[in-house]
Amino acid sequence: AQSVTQLGSHVSVSEGALVLLRCNYSSSVPPYLFWYVQYPNQGLQLLLKYTTGATLVKGINGFEAEFKKSETSFHLTKPSAHMSDAAEYFCAVTQNSGGYQKVTFGIGTKLQVIP
Amino acid sequence: EPEVTQTPSHQVTQMGQEVILRCVPISNHLYFYWYRQILGQKVEFLVSFYNNEISEKSEIFDDQFSVERPDGSNFTLKIRSTKLEDSAMYFCASTTSRQFQYFGAGTRLSVL
Repeated sequence: AQSVTQLGSHVSVSEGALVLLRCNYSSSVPPYLFWYVQYPNQGLQLLLKYTTGATLVKGINGFEAEFKKSETSFHLTKPSAHMSDAAEYFCAVTQNSGGYQKVTFGIGTKLQVIP
Repeated sequence: EPEVTQTPSHQVTQMGQEVILRCVPISNHLYFYWYRQILGQKVEFLVSFYNNEISEKSEIFDDQFSVERPDGSNFTLKIRSTKLEDSAMYFCASTTSRQFQYFGAGTRLSVL
């Protein structure tokens, strides 16, 4: 079984401020973890992923996330928010167990960037 | 960069009508999925498909839904008799067994 909890359905930051979107996961086997971004009326775009190896992963648009097994967390950060970062962000988990792997999504966090 | 293609981008239908949502997965992928996102809600798993049969389905995927891979390239989701509550964005995804899932851009289904 797997699940994802995203703390904060809405987050507001000022332009230039740090972005921190929180994600905690639950998985009975080693997880693959993802962050997706969705702009209004658009599909899901992969921001970054963790599978194995380095626990700090860098993605597109200056985002990064760190896998912390002890905390079962995969928080998304960006040092300096840009207006174009306003979107909805989904944390997701799938199981690193081979075969087919359904993805379980969090409820999403809407990021608002204030000028 | 390989991509999953979904058509149409927006489908409008009358309640009770049948709709078929189409997806072209990435060519060497073996596992195929449909997900649904009702407006304002999270993305939910519907069904996974491998080796020409359903591997897993959620409780949402009732008898009104079916999937098919009719010609070795397309992967379709059929809703036999649409209801208002079927209005949502439907995402197709595909993968090989050890990689993350590639998602299509989605089809927005509007049931009137």
